[in-house]
Amino acid sequence: DTEVTQTPKHLVMGMTNKKSLKCEQHMGHRAMYWYKQKAKKPPELMFVYSYEKLSINESVPSRFSPECPNSSLLNLHLHALQPEDSALYLCASSQVRLADEQFFGPGTRLTVL
Amino acid sequence: GNSVTQMEGPVTLSEEAFLTINCTYTATGYPSLFWYVQYPGEGLQLLLKATKADDKGSNKGFEATYRKETTSFHLEKGSVQVSDSAVYFCALNDNQGGKLIFGQGTELSVKP
Repeated sequence: DTEVTQTPKHLVMGMTNKKSLKCEQHMGHRAMYWYKQKAKKPPELMFVYSYEKLSINESVPSRFSPECPNSSLLNLHLHALQPEDSALYLCASSQVRLADEQFFGPGTRLTVL
Repeated sequence: GNSVTQMEGPVTLSEEAFLTINCTYTATGYPSLFWYVQYPGEGLQLLLKATKADDKGSNKGFEATYRKETTSFHLEKGSVQVSDSAVYFCALNDNQGGKLIFGQGTELSVKP
């Protein structure tokens, strides 16, 4: 299994809602990542988990809360988002954090109304 | 700091034309270099990689050679197809922080 899966594929939420994005990989990778991508731009790194511990937070607002319940799962909890948070949210994984290529999921298209 | 610069798009080619997308980088040490492709409405797929100077990465007819003397990693394909229409991202990993540094992306459109 060489796939990273993400659910849901699309999500529409209001600014007062709480929702969660989910990511799963079964490649035995020990590093997992959340990225945010705006249209026609490269992905921007948000968080890195290494061996299930948060190792990088790129100064992301607290309305985004990551969670890594185990080595295969990565969640992103969303609360009180703003319309400018609308974007494609990509999850990725790699064997370990350093140097390895990252494998990306298909993304969740988030729209905040 | 580390950075990646790609040629600006969009690039429009006819089917079977030769493709070059330029990518240059600035980095300390010996980064690993990657090309990712993003088809419309999808996530990023790793296209090819090179981890040391003079390495050539290749996949699906695409090639890129790690040139340390010119700090470049240009993507080439001898004959493009309509199905190659996508956005291509050059990226480096500095082998220290584990972060991927992306170029701005180059949109390729191939016409029949």
